[in-house]
Amino acid sequence: NAGVTQTPKFQVLKTGQSMTLQCAQDMNHNSMYWYRQDPGMGLRLIYYSASEGTTDKGEVPNGYNVSRLNKREFSLRLESAAPSQTSVYFCASQITRTGRDGYTFGSGTRLTVV
Amino acid sequence: GNSVTQMEGPVTLSEEAFLTINCTYTATGYPSLFWYVQYPGEGLQLLLKATKADDKGSNKGFEATYRKETTSFHLEKGSVQVSDSAVYFCALTPLGGSYIPTFGRGTSLIVHP
Repeated sequence: NAGVTQTPKFQVLKTGQSMTLQCAQDMNHNSMYWYRQDPGMGLRLIYYSASEGTTDKGEVPNGYNVSRLNKREFSLRLESAAPSQTSVYFCASQITRTGRDGYTFGSGTRLTVV
Repeated sequence: GNSVTQMEGPVTLSEEAFLTINCTYTATGYPSLFWYVQYPGEGLQLLLKATKADDKGSNKGFEATYRKETTSFHLEKGSVQVSDSAVYFCALTPLGGSYIPTFGRGTSLIVHP
């Protein structure tokens, strides 16, 4: 099925551990995004990639890094996890950065840092 | 800056009731407007959109009209079902700049049989 695929779906980390969240889309979209969703905070943008080869910081980039590996894949890395990074992480994509068509979201990665 | 304000939830309705979820926005120019729906344990799904003033977006019985004069994009459905229980997010994408969307905080809808 066409769409945005995120892996893993669930993860528990210990404080200080690192991990990479994977995201891939098969819709030939140019722009990709990483959000976190926390109760009462709504969606907050972490990083985005307007097109292959570019990445930019969003609202809450501290503690994260990203890689736009190719047009399909956009990964999010936590170098040293902290309990404040416990959240649900969503990857999204859209055909162009101008945003007239809206996002397609993945099903999320539920991360707990203990 | 841009902002989106949604009514606080939860909104609790009986099946077949009429639904309105209010959304107002602040932005310069003519942003694109969206409603997304999030079912429990899932990601957000695009429900409908409108890209210019007076446009009406519609999908699955839901409708919303882009009202420039009142800067609003209220979501409506004539007869809700239990399966409509979800969280609904209003969002805008500005015309220009970084084109980064602004999302509302979400409104939870609970429909009872």
